[in-house]
Amino acid sequence: QKEVEQNSGPLSVPEGAIASLNCTYSDRGSQSFFWYRQYSGKSPELIMFIYSNGDKEDGRFTAQLNKASQYVSLLIRDSQPSDSATYLCAVTSGNTPLVFGKGTRLSVIA
Amino acid sequence: SQTIHQWPATLVQPVGSPLSLECTVEGTSNPNLYWYRQAAGRGLQLLFYSVGIGQISSEVPQNLSASRPQDRQFILSSKKLLLSDSGFYLCAWSVLSEAFFGQGTRLTVV
Repeated sequence: QKEVEQNSGPLSVPEGAIASLNCTYSDRGSQSFFWYRQYSGKSPELIMFIYSNGDKEDGRFTAQLNKASQYVSLLIRDSQPSDSATYLCAVTSGNTPLVFGKGTRLSVIA
Repeated sequence: SQTIHQWPATLVQPVGSPLSLECTVEGTSNPNLYWYRQAAGRGLQLLFYSVGIGQISSEVPQNLSASRPQDRQFILSSKKLLLSDSGFYLCAWSVLSEAFFGQGTRLTVV
């Protein structure tokens, strides 16, 4: 069974710090990796995707992928209180539905 | 641009009553469509997905069913709701790997 694991948190960081969110996955055939942000009571919103090993940067967000270790992470630089949300890691092996982790709750303290 | 509409936003239903949730997508053709459920404190559970009209794959055996009567319409139904059916129901669409979610329906079965 394909599994995606995340630390549930909460992860608390001070405003302006770097938040580091981690995710591991079980299916070695996984090809595409996604990070979603979900505010309380709202639906998930896609914020980053990564397909190749290494880093991908988009503004304050950096996704990192290591397929050999089956590990993907999301770094949020200069964290803001508005970044406080649950972050969901999602994985797919191709033309199959996304498998989601349970999410990590991030709290940015002003 | 593509948009997804899901309704209603909230719903309170008695045990044993029927259910019908509808989702429509605009601005794209032949999308993959999904129904996920998110129970309190738990991750996103894939319920059904569809790659075309009349093509439905069920991921979890339960008293729910799904139908896709038109290319961009996806319906989630139940003949008799159980207390355990309470949760946050999310419709999503994709053309490539990433999925985009509707606003969700918060269902409370009482």
